[in-house]
Amino acid sequence: GAVVSQHPSWVICKSGTSVKIECRSLDFQATTMFWYRQFPKQSLMLMATSNEGSKATYEQGVEKDKFLINHASLTLSTLTVTSAHPEDSSFYICSAPPRASSYEQYFGPGTRLTVT
Amino acid sequence: DAKTTQPTSMDCAEGRAANLPCNHSTISGNEYVYWYRQIHSQGPQYIIHGLKNNETNEMASLIITEDRKSSTLILPHATLRDTAVYYCIVSLGSGYALNFGKGTSLLVTP
Repeated sequence: GAVVSQHPSWVICKSGTSVKIECRSLDFQATTMFWYRQFPKQSLMLMATSNEGSKATYEQGVEKDKFLINHASLTLSTLTVTSAHPEDSSFYICSAPPRASSYEQYFGPGTRLTVT
Repeated sequence: DAKTTQPTSMDCAEGRAANLPCNHSTISGNEYVYWYRQIHSQGPQYIIHGLKNNETNEMASLIITEDRKSSTLILPHATLRDTAVYYCIVSLGSGYALNFGKGTSLLVTP
């Protein structure tokens, strides 16, 4: 089946630094990828929709200048958390539909970000 | 997107069927019912989806009422590895972001 990977699986960074999270579709091309954030004991919340070759669409309340999304190829989307603060500590998850005719989405394993 | 309502938590004995209900009374005619599950600290996993008819795959069965206002996910023989949070989501299809509600935390006990 379709596989989506994320790197790194976990990262610890200091407050004020930037962190880049990669989301790759390993065996299919994804023109669209979705980025979610999940705080402890809460559900997944959509942050943004990443579109290959164009600007990402951000959900209300998500700062586009803080969470930079780049979807430069059909298999890679990156999320950069700039000037990270402890409140950005969360579980970041990406997903993508494997093909236009598919009904399901495939999710990456997630990236645990801890900002100290 | 239409919203869904699920019980917060459920228990099920290992080997028994787990029946997880979901209400989606405001679902529109072209929206599908999807079920995903999330095992602790992992990405969600697709289980099954349906539009009008009942569906079955190797993981589960999905029963959708005739008026489409509710559905039930059935895990026929629950195992300990089925312990997870189960999300019922209505969506127009895979090209759309998923609106995750709070889900049902299923605990399968020995």
